[in-house]
Amino acid sequence: KQEVTQIPAALSVPEGENLVLNCSFTDSAIYNLQWFRQDPGKGLTSLLLIQSSQREQTSGRLNASLDKSSGRSTLYIAASQPGDSATYLCAVIGSARQLTFGSGTQLTVLP
Amino acid sequence: EAGVAQSPRYKIIEKRQSVAFWCNPISGHATLYWYQQILGQGPKLLIQFQNNGVVDDSQLPKDRFSAERLKGVDSTLKIQPAKLEDSAVYLCASSLEDPSYNEQFFGPGTRLTVL
Repeated sequence: KQEVTQIPAALSVPEGENLVLNCSFTDSAIYNLQWFRQDPGKGLTSLLLIQSSQREQTSGRLNASLDKSSGRSTLYIAASQPGDSATYLCAVIGSARQLTFGSGTQLTVLP
Repeated sequence: EAGVAQSPRYKIIEKRQSVAFWCNPISGHATLYWYQQILGQGPKLLIQFQNNGVVDDSQLPKDRFSAERLKGVDSTLKIQPAKLEDSAVYLCASSLEDPSYNEQFFGPGTRLTVL
């Protein structure tokens, strides 16, 4: 059974800092990995999707990498802003063709 | 492009009562999902539809939960009777046909409180 772990559970950084969020998964046989953002009381917003054949994806200040063989992904946020404060979730789709989520990292960017 | 719509946004009921949630996916999305998200956890898949048919309902507590997708578009999720542990956010998502390669787009969710 696929398990997804996100470390740390919570992170607080000053504005302007670059930061990395970590995601690991136990079964490397995945089709893709998605990073989501969730604001309090809101649904999930898709940030980046990395197919299993890809190594990374970039969108603006966000860069996500994927190392399938080691079962790891990182989300890099450059020049963090208070508006980046949210919970970041990673999820993988494996052979069961369903998303398995981690518990998320709660990010606070201090002005 | 309109996103995934859900209603109601909030619902408070007493245990043993019944409740229903509605979802309208993004136009043209064949696959629809219902997730349960308990506070502090990631979403957990309850049921997945492909057009009208159920693809996976292995984690749906079928003694109290039911779901249907009429005409391959809108979907309803029902809980009857509700228990305290059903308090959670219920998220609906949709994607193009093959979930292996396509992003899932989520609605705002329905926050259910069972007293």
